[in-house]
Amino acid sequence: DAKTTQPTSMDCAEGRAANLPCNHSTISGNEYVYWYRQIHSQGPQYIIHGLKNNETNEMASLIITEDRKSSTLILPHATLRDTAVYYCIVRLISNFGNEKLTFGTGTRLTIIP
Amino acid sequence: NAGVTQTPKFQVLKTGQSMTLQCAQDMNHEYMSWYRQDPGMGLRLIHYSVGAGITDQGEVPNGYNVSRSTTEDFPLRLLSAAPSQTSVYFCASRNRDSEAFFGQGTRLTVV
Repeated sequence: DAKTTQPTSMDCAEGRAANLPCNHSTISGNEYVYWYRQIHSQGPQYIIHGLKNNETNEMASLIITEDRKSSTLILPHATLRDTAVYYCIVRLISNFGNEKLTFGTGTRLTIIP
Repeated sequence: NAGVTQTPKFQVLKTGQSMTLQCAQDMNHEYMSWYRQDPGMGLRLIHYSVGAGITDQGEVPNGYNVSRSTTEDFPLRLLSAAPSQTSVYFCASRNRDSEAFFGQGTRLTVV
């Protein structure tokens, strides 16, 4: 699976959009971009994933550049409960026999009141 | 629907003791896996299973054993605990095309 690079930490004001970047310059054509978050040492929680089109769900939006070498997770109206470590992961989907999700150290997002 | 359930939540062991961390899922997922997370670090894969009777090693398998006799359960065994195994352990499950669902973790201290 391709490696990812994320900023170590970010702050965002409550109510504003939080934009979390991720670089994955070695991503291959059949690898997806996944985002998870981990709130205060709880189990990681799935947020969103995408291949090459932008995606949106009830939690967030995912913007993937046309060359797929980077992406941005957008939390449109950040709340204090969004304070967490956010992990960007790229992996093959339906890759039978390879369960590995490679977690880096992620971005620690702090929402400021 | 309970999702992924891990027991116990907390455990203290003495060096050399053995124990089993339990993981159960009720979503009929094919894939199950165990991760450990050390302070300030991301999760590292210990062992995983792609179905009942099939297991394989992850990134940091030494000192741990697993088995998968049923779809629902994937226990992790520490045969002889060492202080280096002090960590938070997470179990996860998914189907081939789905996202992973994680348990709430077991915080293990080996003294």
